[in-house]
Amino acid sequence: QQQVRQSPQSLTVWEGETAILNCSYEDSTFNYFPWYQQFPGEGPALLISIRSVSDKKEDGRFTIFFNKREKKLSLHITDSQPGDSATYFCAASAGTNTGKLTFGDGTVLTVKP
Amino acid sequence: DPKIIQKPKYLVAVTGSEKILICEQYLGHNAMYWYRQSAKKPLEFMFSYSYQKLMDNQTASSRFQPQSSKKNHLDLQITALKPDDSATYFCASSPQSNTGQLYFGEGSKLTVL
Repeated sequence: QQQVRQSPQSLTVWEGETAILNCSYEDSTFNYFPWYQQFPGEGPALLISIRSVSDKKEDGRFTIFFNKREKKLSLHITDSQPGDSATYFCAASAGTNTGKLTFGDGTVLTVKP
Repeated sequence: DPKIIQKPKYLVAVTGSEKILICEQYLGHNAMYWYRQSAKKPLEFMFSYSYQKLMDNQTASSRFQPQSSKKNHLDLQITALKPDDSATYFCASSPQSNTGQLYFGEGSKLTVL
């Protein structure tokens, strides 16, 4: 059973629109949730993260909304730019070993100009 | 300049052979990790090291052996290679094992024929 699920698999938005990427998890011990951005041929890069004690985290155009009761979170990218086109991974870890991440399958985002 | 250097970037091996993937980080971090990304699965955690000591091993096979000769090095030796080992192997590091903030290298893409 996959512990971290992402939807949709792929998403296309127009430049300037808000892209919404969804993530859900199974393990209730997960308490740290980073989102990573990956461009082809590169390694994942940390975009933004949230801990389970918070329900919202904002960093510029990127916002995480977190619902602990439903075990769901979402990444909102406002004013999407073509340069945001990439694969986005939701990940989770438990306890203090925050480097041991469980990743979702990713959402491929395409932003059309 | 890349702060996490992985070598080689691409490698091709024959079934049954052995390869070593090299990783060096110049971020001054104390925790290092190996992850694997294959076409069929999400990014998978393999190993974590903190201050050159093994913290966690999620790899069932003893064919995968991490080696830490220096604080900023974490190599991965893979023996008796199989076609299923074909994947991109990512090295990552973080300030401490409990701080999150994983920084990934660009990966070593291994193809086993």
